[in-house]
Amino acid sequence: SQQGEEDPQALSIQEGENATMNCSYKTSINNLQWYRQNSGRGLVHLILIRSNEREKHSGRLRVTLDTSKKSSSLLITASRAADTASYFCATDSGGYQKVTFGTGTKLQVIP
Amino acid sequence: ETGVTQTPRHLVMGMTNKKSLKCEQHLGHNAMYWYKQSAKKPLELMFVYNFKEQTENNSVPSRFSPECPNSSHLFLHLHTLQPEDSALYLCASSQDARLSGANVLTFGAGSRLTVL
Repeated sequence: SQQGEEDPQALSIQEGENATMNCSYKTSINNLQWYRQNSGRGLVHLILIRSNEREKHSGRLRVTLDTSKKSSSLLITASRAADTASYFCATDSGGYQKVTFGTGTKLQVIP
Repeated sequence: ETGVTQTPRHLVMGMTNKKSLKCEQHLGHNAMYWYKQSAKKPLELMFVYNFKEQTENNSVPSRFSPECPNSSHLFLHLHTLQPEDSALYLCASSQDARLSGANVLTFGAGSRLTVL
């Protein structure tokens, strides 16, 4: 069953701008991960944030997690055309690895 | 290359055909997964194998039959499929499916299946 829901479904920005994507989920989690998918390809892991963490950085990526609101956000700073892709949040609620994905946010960065 | 290789990349088959999708990982992982990705739907987990044992069958129709001969190889055998089974089938691997809390998935590039 679907756990994470990304918002917005689609986002179009100019190169150099920041892009923010949000993820909401329903049940308690052990960790939340963000993945990127280029058109017609597999998903690539970007960053993992544990339930006891509030913020994490990796290069131009910044992820926040608010477990009280059951939400996370992914910020991509100084976006580039190469960042054009779909971005998915995935929640891990424990047990035998059950990482569940949302429908994703489709990001277009216009050069 | 991610270390997870899927073949074929594209497959077109009729409803009465029998075909197989293959996945191979060179990462030393012990867990392998099949996901189905259809347009405008969340990724659907189909099967999980951990140390060659099937640990998850997410109510998948029997026309999809997985096989995991060893920790490095995973197959999805396809038989009597329906047009609605057309999708991108993604294979993934991870260190150990029991490692909840730090288990990151590495995906292959996918096999695009079209059922006529």
